[in-house]
Amino acid sequence: DGGITQSPKYLFRKEGQNVTLSCEQNLNHDAMYWYRQDPGQGLRLIYYSQIVNDFQKGDIAEGYSVSREKKESFPLTVTSAQKNPTAFYLCASSTTGSNYGYTFGSGTRLTVV
Amino acid sequence: AQSVTQPDIHITVSEGASLELRCNYSYGATPYLFWYVQSPGQGLQLLLKYFSGDTLVQGIKGFEAEFKRSQSSFNLRKPSVHWSDAAEYFCAVTHSSNTGKLIFGQGTTLQVKP
Repeated sequence: DGGITQSPKYLFRKEGQNVTLSCEQNLNHDAMYWYRQDPGQGLRLIYYSQIVNDFQKGDIAEGYSVSREKKESFPLTVTSAQKNPTAFYLCASSTTGSNYGYTFGSGTRLTVV
Repeated sequence: AQSVTQPDIHITVSEGASLELRCNYSYGATPYLFWYVQSPGQGLQLLLKYFSGDTLVQGIKGFEAEFKRSQSSFNLRKPSVHWSDAAEYFCAVTHSSNTGKLIFGQGTTLQVKP
């Protein structure tokens, strides 16, 4: 079955450490996205990529980095510069045209201690 | 700039009662509109979407939504709520099906009383 896989589901890190969240899709979608979700704040866009080797900052990109070396993969690194990294992170992908719409992964909950 | 407002942060309904979740958007041209549902600790699942045509859209799980251009609204409805419908619901909008970047509302949490 096609879909998006995020791993791990739960991640614990010490303050000051960088951490990378994995996102892989086998839907052959061109575009991929990373969102951060905090209680009461909805989904906020961190980074997005519409094509391999290209990506753009979203609304809250500070303290995060991404890469898009393969169509299937869009990993997110939460760096030590991110002031408040504890959150639920969602990855999504989309196609274009009449079938347009996001397909979401099941999320990674990052807790920094 | 595009924006989406879901006026109700939290709604409680009795099982079997009807449901309407409100969504208002701000955008000048014809928007592409979506409703998603999220169970705790999970990703979001698409309930339905509106691109063009019939303004009453049918979705999965017995949900429907109506696009009203004059009111800039896209409210989600269900005639009879089931306990399994308890979740968080998000309305989203974009201006194009080719450039991505959905703008999401803050979400409405639905609680269902037995």
